[in-house]
Amino acid sequence: NAGVTQTPKFRVLKTGQSMTLLCAQDMNHEYMYWYRQDPGMGLRLIHYSVGEGTTAKGEVPDGYNVSRLKKQNFLLGLESAAPSQTSVYFCASSYDDRVGHGYTFGSGTRLTVV
Amino acid sequence: AQSVTQLGSHVSVSEGALVLLRCNYSSSVPPYLFWYVQYPNQGLQLLLKYTSAATLVKGINGFEAEFKKSETSFHLTKPSAHMSDAAEYFCAVSDRKFDMRFGAGTRLTVKP
Repeated sequence: NAGVTQTPKFRVLKTGQSMTLLCAQDMNHEYMYWYRQDPGMGLRLIHYSVGEGTTAKGEVPDGYNVSRLKKQNFLLGLESAAPSQTSVYFCASSYDDRVGHGYTFGSGTRLTVV
Repeated sequence: AQSVTQLGSHVSVSEGALVLLRCNYSSSVPPYLFWYVQYPNQGLQLLLKYTSAATLVKGINGFEAEFKKSETSFHLTKPSAHMSDAAEYFCAVSDRKFDMRFGAGTRLTVKP
């Protein structure tokens, strides 16, 4: 059982380049999330999805777009990367939308924008 | 808005010593509280969670946390540290759907 899988694990981008981060989960979870992790700031929610075909903005959505064309996949796109987007990106999923249920996290994508 | 503050970005203990990682929360409604652990180059794993059933919550790997409403705290403890406990620990709060807020994290070092 793979859980939540993120690809790629590492990437270096030049300023202005675009890329897509892929998150795949095999637990049939309805809800999926993208977070970024920065030193001294913990994790901050970028976007989330409450089901196939839906997306919503989180705390820090600017500069990112997302899509959830299939229930098991949640894509995070950077259209024009900026150095401020250098971060570690985590995808998470949950089976229940009730407050109080924990999330299952992927192992992260370390992105450097130069 | 809900938030958490973790006191101390780095904590160092000797193997066998008590582990105490501090977390204070802010929430306008009764919150749900979580502790996650992150080992190097891995994602976050849920250690334990408070959902109002009991104020003392036991988690995996011998960790436990106590919810104290009067102190707005949810500190994480383990009686005896093991080398394998070295990791980064995150406290998180959630009082509404799809909105889990994380603290800045505390890196635990265990000395032999």
